[in-house]
Amino acid sequence: DAGVIQSPRHEVTEMGQEVTLRCKPISGHNSLFWYRQTMMRGLELLIYFNNNVPIDDSGMPEDRFSAKMPNASFSTLKIQPSEPRDSAVYFCASSLNRGGTDTQYFGPGTRLTVL
Amino acid sequence: AQKVTQAQTEISVVEKEDVTLDCVYETRDTTYYLFWYKQPPSGELVFLIRRNSFDEQNEISGRYSWNFQKSTSSFNFTITASQVVDSAVYFCALSEGAGRRALTFGSGTRLQVQP
Repeated sequence: DAGVIQSPRHEVTEMGQEVTLRCKPISGHNSLFWYRQTMMRGLELLIYFNNNVPIDDSGMPEDRFSAKMPNASFSTLKIQPSEPRDSAVYFCASSLNRGGTDTQYFGPGTRLTVL
Repeated sequence: AQKVTQAQTEISVVEKEDVTLDCVYETRDTTYYLFWYKQPPSGELVFLIRRNSFDEQNEISGRYSWNFQKSTSSFNFTITASQVVDSAVYFCALSEGAGRRALTFGSGTRLQVQP
């Protein structure tokens, strides 16, 4: 079975540009998480969805960040406008939530560089 | 608030040595879950194990074993007869049993296994 798919794998952009990161969760999973990994802050949650509904977006840094999940098989994380401090690896993870805490499986990540 | 501490920033061993990675956690919840993930040089996050707070049995999977002790709030990971392929960053993580399902990660331990 295919794992979590993320695209692009690498993105280099200039400050002020819009960036869209994409994620396809594992088929049948009903929860989706976006994490960010930086040297300074490590791995931290940005937002997560359950059954396509945003549940916890307390980790979203500011209004420049937005995330959507229009259906069970696709999610986007958008940064507009991007800034150099947004440079990081962005991971998407999915899980099957059956009422308790479930195991999250991670995608390969998108390495974002904002110049 | 939850917290995971991995005090060992980097460990270097020679192949075939045993190595233990330490993880200490803090939580006010009586129900919680602990995880270990591996991040090899290629960058993806690979799930290794999940334990819940009611199950303190140690677990062994091949060369990997985990020691969960609630009395010391620790969930340590031992690799027996280490191999070069074990070289990676290992993350310990914690999530609540209910409510916020995001993972709180430790800062990671970089393991280098020398041939």
